[in-house]
Amino acid sequence: AQSVAQPEDQVNVAEGNPLTVKCTYSVSGNPYLFWYVQYPNRGLQFLLKYITGDNLVKGSYGFEAEFNKSQTSFHLKKPSALVSDSALYFCAVRDGINKFYFGSGTKLNVKP
Amino acid sequence: GAGVSQSPRYKVAKRGQDVALRCDPISGHVSLFWYQQALGQGPEFLTYFQNEAQLDKSGLPSDRFFAERPEGSVSTLKIQRTQQEDSAVYLCASSLVPGTTDTQYFGPGTRLTVL
Repeated sequence: AQSVAQPEDQVNVAEGNPLTVKCTYSVSGNPYLFWYVQYPNRGLQFLLKYITGDNLVKGSYGFEAEFNKSQTSFHLKKPSALVSDSALYFCAVRDGINKFYFGSGTKLNVKP
Repeated sequence: GAGVSQSPRYKVAKRGQDVALRCDPISGHVSLFWYQQALGQGPEFLTYFQNEAQLDKSGLPSDRFFAERPEGSVSTLKIQRTQQEDSAVYLCASSLVPGTTDTQYFGPGTRLTVL
């Protein structure tokens, strides 16, 4: 079965510094990987996805993610964090046409 | 707006009551998904529709949970005889076409609290 793991419950970073939110995956077949962000009392918002092609995927709000097949990782990154980036981030892998498996989430705290 | 909408946003039910949660997907989206998100956890898959057909209901936790999408647009998730363990946020998502690469767009969720 497909699965993703987010090893950090929380990441703290100072505004202006680079941020990384980690995700590792386990799939049989081609990995279709996604990142979503969730703000309080709101649904999940799509950030970016990896389907095939370049290992560096660019997404919304200046975020990008690096796909690494040998390490089975799909870490989310941003060169310069903003306080407004503080939220809950979820990594997900798609299984077939009808299921997403989500990680447990990582809370990002960006301090001014 | 043009996004996925859900109603009600908040629902409080007494244990044993039946509840119905509504999802309005993005217009024209073929695929519709329901997820359950417990506090502090990631969403967990409940069921999937392609148009009006429920193709996968493997994630429904018990036969008290029932979902329908009779005309291939609006969907309703019904929970009968609610229990405290049903307390969670219920998320609906839709995508344009069935496919492994298609992006799901999520609604704001319905927070269900069972007393």
